[in-house]
Amino acid sequence: GENVEQHPSTLSVQEGDSAVIKCTYSDSASNYFPWYKQELGKRPQLIIDIRSNVGEKKDQRIAVTLNKTAKHFSLHITETQPEDSAVYFCAAPKGSGTYKYIFGTGTRLKVLA
Amino acid sequence: DSGVTQTPKHLITATGQRVTLRCSPRSGDLSVYWYQQSLDQGLQFLIQYYNGEERAKGNILERFSAQQFPDLHSELNLSSLELGDSALYFCASSPSGRGSYEQYFGPGTRLTVT
Repeated sequence: GENVEQHPSTLSVQEGDSAVIKCTYSDSASNYFPWYKQELGKRPQLIIDIRSNVGEKKDQRIAVTLNKTAKHFSLHITETQPEDSAVYFCAAPKGSGTYKYIFGTGTRLKVLA
Repeated sequence: DSGVTQTPKHLITATGQRVTLRCSPRSGDLSVYWYQQSLDQGLQFLIQYYNGEERAKGNILERFSAQQFPDLHSELNLSSLELGDSALYFCASSPSGRGSYEQYFGPGTRLTVT
């Protein structure tokens, strides 16, 4: 079926600590996994993505890991800052050549100063 | 700025009315996707067009319809509006019709039905 599960739904961390958000998908043919950051009332912004031919991708303080066997991928934010506070969404396409994204339900991250 | 534009930014209307939301994709992008986001909710995929043709449908109500024009801009039409249709409506564009390409979101249209 079409399902992307995202955990946790809320996450509070102290400034400087790390945050990890995990998503599990159901369609084994999915081959592209983006992460979006959405601030209140604003548009979702693509912050990092990973394709199925790699296991990890890093961009400064943000990294994404992919485990195709277990069908899950995770967002890692290190040295968190107050401006990282937002809602984060993962997504996975339905199938490999499909045109639909299935989004996770979102994680509200709060970085406490 | 993603390069995707949406108008209007805000829209307030009454139940039973009809509205049209407009989206212009990034230059060169052929695909347009429409999403609905209710208060504190996730992104619900509505419909996707690629180079003028409908390519995928999500949980789009029969009261809603969309189209993509030859210049690649898209319009989402919402009719017989109900209170529950109040939401943020985003469009996103992508270079290809395939889901393996990143999508870039517009700023959204906030629809309030009273």
